[in-house]
Order: sequence, then C-alpha cells, then structure tokens
Amino acid sequence: AQKITQTQPGMFVQEKEAVTLDCTYDTSDPSYGLFWYKQPSSGEMIFLIYQGSYDQQNATEGRYSLNFQKARKSANLVISASQLGDSAMYFCAMREGWGAGYSTLTFGKGTMLLVSP
Amino acid sequence: EADIYQTPRYLVIGTGKKITLECSQTMGHDKMYWYQQDPGMELHLIHYSYGVNSTEKGDLSSESTVSRIRTEHFPLTLESARPSHTSQYLCASSYPGRDTEAFFGQGTRLTVV
Repeated sequence: AQKITQTQPGMFVQEKEAVTLDCTYDTSDPSYGLFWYKQPSSGEMIFLIYQGSYDQQNATEGRYSLNFQKARKSANLVISASQLGDSAMYFCAMREGWGAGYSTLTFGKGTMLLVSP
Repeated sequence: EADIYQTPRYLVIGTGKKITLECSQTMGHDKMYWYQQDPGMELHLIHYSYGVNSTEKGDLSSESTVSRIRTEHFPLTLESARPSHTSQYLCASSYPGRDTEAFFGQGTRLTVV
C-alpha cells in the first residue's frame, strides 16, 4: 500500500492566490515526521516545511503552512499569495519511527503546480 | 544552501560502460541516500547508509552498488550501463533523527545510449 498519497497530478493557480496541495499518509507508528519538498524544472529538491506527529500546532514557514489533521492522516501544504516562481513539482514525504538508526524518507508521486500571471 | 555536491551533472554514455556517480557532503552527516527518479515521477530509494562501512539496499531494486569509506563520500557505481538505467539520480544526506530534513544534491541526469 502507498505510504504517501498525493491525489492531484496537477494544479493550476493564478498569481497572488492561495493554493492547497493534498497529501495523505499511512502509518501505524505513533512517531513520524512529514516533509514537503519543491522540485523546480532544474531538478534539485528544496526542503520547504516539516511537521512532527506530536507537534501541537501546524507548521508555518513564510508563505508555506501545513494543514495537519492527524485523525484524518492528512498533511496538506498551503501556499499563500502564489508567485510565478512557485511553479514546480511538490512532493510530500514521511519518515517514521524513533532513534538515529531507523527509517528513510518515503515520497509521494508529487503534484505539479503551475502558477499563471 | 546545502553543502552536498554531485558530479557529473549530466552524463551520456554508451551501453556496457562502467560509471561512477559521485556524491560528497561537507556537513558531517552520518546518513546518506541515493534516490532514482524518472522525469516527472516520484523518487525511489535505491541505497542508503547509516555511516562509514554501512550500506543498505532501498525499496527499489537496483543493479548499482555503493560504498561508504569516508563519511563525506557516497559514490554509486554501475558496472555495465544499460538504456534501462537512464534516469535522474539524486543523492541526499541528513543528521540522524525523525525531524531532520534531507539535503539534496543537484542530481545527475544519466542517459545510456
């Protein structure tokens, strides 16, 4: 079964509007972390935001915020005031477990975001 | 800006050649990873390492091999390249811990002709 599901292959938004990119996850581990990365056409992966499973508040980083709904196992990324430079592929990822020697990052299939003027 | 470097950035090579993709990081991270990604698709973990002399296979089976002789260096080798190996290869590193993000290199786009 997919551990990370991103159901939107592509999203379109106009400049200056907000957009929500969906991510649901599947884990039975009570301790996990959720990450969002941006991948522009140049190919590098840029870390955007992190949410821990025990964090009480939703994470925010500038124009990025994470709508974390633990009971629904969803961790949607909200980008406010979209800019043309936000056009890219966005990946949701999860790391499970405690301690230093455990799991790696598992990625979803990604959502392509296109911002139009 | 992350201090993790991959070379070469682009590589076009003939079938049957041996290749090594280089990955180095200067952050002192113990954990390093190799991901394979086809254009517009998800990342698949092919190898990872917890530290020197530690290597593990990832979720996606790969004919490549890796080594970790030094903390900062995690090269990936294909003994005999095939067209099916054409893909982007992304190297990453992180500190141990649940809440630590992985820092990625710029990737190597490999084309085997």
